[in-house]
Amino acid sequence: QLQLQESGPGLLKPSETLSLTCTVSGGSISSGSDCWGWVRQPPGKGLEWIGSVCYSGKTYSSPSLKSRVTISVSTSKHQFSLKLSSVTAADTAVYYCVRENNSGVVTPWFAPWGQGTLVTVSS
Amino acid sequence: SSELTQDPAVSVALGQTVRITCQGDSLRRYSATWYQQKPGQAPVVVIYGDNNRPSGIPDRFSGSSLGDTASLTITGAQAEDEADFYCNSRGSTGDYLVFGGGTKVTVL
Repeated sequence: QLQLQESGPGLLKPSETLSLTCTVSGGSISSGSDCWGWVRQPPGKGLEWIGSVCYSGKTYSSPSLKSRVTISVSTSKHQFSLKLSSVTAADTAVYYCVRENNSGVVTPWFAPWGQGTLVTVSS
Repeated sequence: SSELTQDPAVSVALGQTVRITCQGDSLRRYSATWYQQKPGQAPVVVIYGDNNRPSGIPDRFSGSSLGDTASLTITGAQAEDEADFYCNSRGSTGDYLVFGGGTKVTVL
């Protein structure tokens, strides 16, 4: 059964770069039709899609975050990563990594999800 | 504000039926996905491609879409269905994804 696990620092200072890694186990990260993405959720608020990277190397991200987001995949390490630059308190959130299922659908769907990791931005 | 609009909260009596809606122009072109999130847990997909139910999701969950509105219906709501529900689809240009603001479902 495919499982995803986020890892990375839980506390950052304003202007620093957030770096998170998602380790994929129980399955292949190299499936041709799937992508791997990130979703975040500020405390007490709703979900926000951040962006995704596909096995082909194609990446796409939220227009509101695009200038600060880098998402990459390492098939050899069975990991994919998120970097978000110049963070502020508004970036405080639980960050989830997800598999993006694209096969046979117009809109991809996310499953499974990692358990999520809280990242706090505070001086 | 989100490109997908959901009512913030709805309530339903135990065993009754509730419909949650998600409205947005992009839904005219792209299908919707619905996620259920219980407190302290990661979201779980309950409907994808407007009306497809993943394995393991009870058949009391169903989805539909017409025009600019997608709907999630819970027929015979159970106490364990109390949760936040989020719709998701592509954005207006099709090259990004967006969530609705979420609907809190309370089972009375």
